[in-house]
Amino acid sequence: QLQLQESGPGLVKPSETLSLTCTVSGDSISSSYYYWGWIRQPPGKGLEWIGSIYYSGSTYYNPSLKSRVTVSVDTSKNQFSLKLISVTAADTAVYYCASRYTSRWGVDFWGQGTLVTVSS
Amino acid sequence: QSALTQSASVSGSPGQTITISCTGTSRDVGGYNYVSWYQQHPGKAPKLMIYDVSNRPSGVSNRFSGSKSGNTASLTISGLQAEDEADYYCSSCTSSSTLYVFGTGTKVTVL
Repeated sequence: QLQLQESGPGLVKPSETLSLTCTVSGDSISSSYYYWGWIRQPPGKGLEWIGSIYYSGSTYYNPSLKSRVTVSVDTSKNQFSLKLISVTAADTAVYYCASRYTSRWGVDFWGQGTLVTVSS
Repeated sequence: QSALTQSASVSGSPGQTITISCTGTSRDVGGYNYVSWYQQHPGKAPKLMIYDVSNRPSGVSNRFSGSKSGNTASLTISGLQAEDEADYYCSSCTSSSTLYVFGTGTKVTVL
């Protein structure tokens, strides 16, 4: 059973870069069975998919965020990461790292979520 | 890509059956059998309830069922219970099944 845990700063200044890491336990991040990704939820609002990565390194991004987002994998640490540049207050949200099996459409595994506030 | 459309709220009494709808387009819901549903209680991470339109993950009650017709997917909760009170989100793939889109969310209230 996979377990995911987000880590990173809870406060980021406007125009700076938001960086989060997700540590995976229970299986290898190099496994071909999973996609890895990030989903966020602004306070009181709905879910928004940010981007995903496959073990091969293929990445997929939300078109509305694509110019500002990078998702990457660190196989040596069994982690994957999110970088979002040029943040504004609109990027304030709970950020979830998540994973789904490649064999089916549904996100089975979620981190507990981490609130990132963009404020000076 | 635009969010899928869900009704803002649905309510029912214990034991009743309710249905939540999720409307998209032929480029997402209608184009693929890749719809999933999530339950989210306040302050918690979402939980997968349905994948691939109508399949339940292990451990999810059979009171939850999913279906799809055209560009609209549906989640039905039968035998409504107090613990079913939560927000529910649908999700579909889009753009050659590589991208995700979520629904606007539905708040389910058990009267």
